[in-house]
Amino acid sequence: SYVLTQPPSVSVAPGKTATITCGGNNIGSKSVHWYQQKPGQAPVLVIYYNSDRPSGIPERFSGSTSGNTATLTITKVEAGDEADYYCQVWGSSSLNWVFGGGTKLTV
Amino acid sequence: EVQLVESGGNLVKPGGSLRLSCAVSGFTFSNAYLSWVRQAPGKGLEWVGRIKSESDGGAADYAAPVKGRFIISRDYSKDTLYLQMNSLKTEDTAIYYCTTENTMMGLSSDYWGQGTLVTVSS
Repeated sequence: SYVLTQPPSVSVAPGKTATITCGGNNIGSKSVHWYQQKPGQAPVLVIYYNSDRPSGIPERFSGSTSGNTATLTITKVEAGDEADYYCQVWGSSSLNWVFGGGTKLTV
Repeated sequence: EVQLVESGGNLVKPGGSLRLSCAVSGFTFSNAYLSWVRQAPGKGLEWVGRIKSESDGGAADYAAPVKGRFIISRDYSKDTLYLQMNSLKTEDTAIYYCTTENTMMGLSSDYWGQGTLVTVSS
């Protein structure tokens, strides 16, 4: 089955840029979605189709993919961005959605 | 406004059964792909399964850990999604979320319910 690997934690100072990676075999050929989850809340979609933002998501959030890595970038990080972030792809050979293990962003 | 409201979570013994419901509003239910995602206490997200829209055949797909034990269905007259869970195991303990999968956004889950807690314990 397809496996997505994320770093357990990332720390960043307010106002700086946070980079969260998601590794997977040839993930650059897949569509990657990213979710933000704050404590006690349901997840929120922040990036779909690798780099598109749903309405209401700030431009500070962006995504990209290349080779075996997908990346979520958050510029000018704010305290309110502190959350767990999950990547997701469709494991086409196994007909199932796959989530990465999640990355806790600490600001 | 799109709303998904889960219900039915409870404490159940190993080997028991439980049915979760997800009442949806604010969009055309029959056109929607709908899925269940769970999150064990202190753990990450895990996809449980999904059911396709009526126009795409309405079939369901399941994650390996629940295949053969869980059944996803939908009632078009009540705009409600269901998750029938049988032969429950302690490792099924989790918050269960229902989500919509947006066909215009790569089937990403753009709306989520608030979740319902299922605890499997003797």
